[in-house]
Amino acid sequence: NAGVMQNPRHLVRRRGQEARLRCSPMKGHSHVYWYRQLPEEGLKFMVYLQKENIIDESGMPKERFSAEFPKEGPSILRIQQVVRGDSAAYFCASSPTGPNEKLFFGSGTQLSVL
Amino acid sequence: KQEVTQIPAALSVPEGENLVLNCSFTDSAIYNLQWFRQDPGKGLTSLLLIQSSQREQTSGRLNASLDKSSGRSTLYIAASQPGDSATYLCGAGANNLFFGTGTRLTVIP
Repeated sequence: NAGVMQNPRHLVRRRGQEARLRCSPMKGHSHVYWYRQLPEEGLKFMVYLQKENIIDESGMPKERFSAEFPKEGPSILRIQQVVRGDSAAYFCASSPTGPNEKLFFGSGTQLSVL
Repeated sequence: KQEVTQIPAALSVPEGENLVLNCSFTDSAIYNLQWFRQDPGKGLTSLLLIQSSQREQTSGRLNASLDKSSGRSTLYIAASQPGDSATYLCGAGANNLFFGTGTRLTVIP
């Protein structure tokens, strides 16, 4: 049973480009959470999704950021028109049936904006 | 908004010592509290989960306690080993977890 898979591991973008980060949850998990980790800062919650639904997006910046978790395929975190301040490690986690369970994290995507 | 604080920020101990990591949170309306370890450049590995109705959980040399009324949790590591060296994070919350900035633990052989 593979763990939470994130790709790519490293992503380099120039300012103004789009970044797409993918997350495949563990088999049987239908809840996905995205977090961002800036250097020397803690993990910050961004968004919580269930299949085809956004449950809580209170941590998402209002502009340029969006997330989806379609019925088929991985969850996608999309950042449009990236800026240097978007450089961070983005982590995805999953749980089987809800937030009252252990979270399993992926290895993260390190986004670098030049 | 939930705020999570971890003390100390860094800790260095000789191998074999027992140690305690502290976590405090401001909002007691949580589903659970979870302890994780993070190795450099890696994701988080779940260590222990304590449901809001529980007082403690144990796994091997690890024991975590939860006192919701005072907004505190501790992670006790017995007989520390060099392989325990990592950053330890606690997360508390309901629909999502709020994390502290972690305690960076170094166990010296």
